[in-house]
Amino acid sequence: EVQVVQSGAEVKKPGATVKISCKVSGYTFADYYMHWMQQAPGEGPQWMGLIDPEDGETIFAEKFQGRVTMTADRSSDTLYLELNTLRSEDTAIYYCATSVVGAPHYFHYWGQGTLVTVST
Amino acid sequence: EIVLTQSPGTLSLSPGERATLSCRASQTFSSNFLAWYQQKPGQSPRLLIYGASRRATGVPDRFRGSGSGTDFTLTISRIEPEDFAVYYCQQYGRSPYTFGQGTKLEIK
Repeated sequence: EVQVVQSGAEVKKPGATVKISCKVSGYTFADYYMHWMQQAPGEGPQWMGLIDPEDGETIFAEKFQGRVTMTADRSSDTLYLELNTLRSEDTAIYYCATSVVGAPHYFHYWGQGTLVTVST
Repeated sequence: EIVLTQSPGTLSLSPGERATLSCRASQTFSSNFLAWYQQKPGQSPRLLIYGASRRATGVPDRFRGSGSGTDFTLTISRIEPEDFAVYYCQQYGRSPYTFGQGTKLEIK
C-alpha cells in the first residue's frame, strides 16, 4: 500500500524559512516524481514544482523560482520542500503528490497536507 | 500560463440528482491532459478522472468526464451523499500545471 506522510504544522514569522518533509512507502522511490502544491484558504491548489527522486532534477513554477528548494533523500525515502523569505500570503496548506515517471503529470497519491502559518 | 475557469462556483442539488460541472481553459493544451479531483473538508484532493475521461482506480462509474479542446465537463449521474465536496479540474498539458478555482457541490 502506498503511503505519503507529511510533517506537522508549522508557525513561522515573516522572512523566515520553512522546511516540510514527505516520507513515502509502498513503492520504488525512483518510480514517481514528487510534486508540491500550495493551497491557500478557500482557493484551488497551486503547483509549485516537481523533483525527480532518481537524480534530484527539479522544475519550478516561475512564481516560486528563487524562493523554493526541493530535495530527495533516497536513504530514507523522504522528500523535502523548503520555502524561504516567507510572507503572510504563504499561509497555506502544502501538499506533496506523486506522478508516474515517464507519464503525464496528474497526481495519484497525496500526502495529508502540512499547514504553514506565517504570522508576527 | 493556462487559466482554468470552473462554473458554477456553487452547485446546490439533492441526492439522486444529476450534477454537471464545467471547466474552461484559456487556451488549448496537449492531448486532453485534464484531470478532475474531489476534495472534502480537511482532506487531500482525490484523483477522479485523468485524460479528460478516464476514471481513476476505484472511482464509481457515476462519475464521467468528457470534453476536449478548451471545454471539459464532469458529470455525476446520480449524486450520492458522499459526493458533496469541492471539485477541481487541473491541466497537465503545459507547465506550469494549473488548477481551477473549484466548484462546491452542496446539499440543497
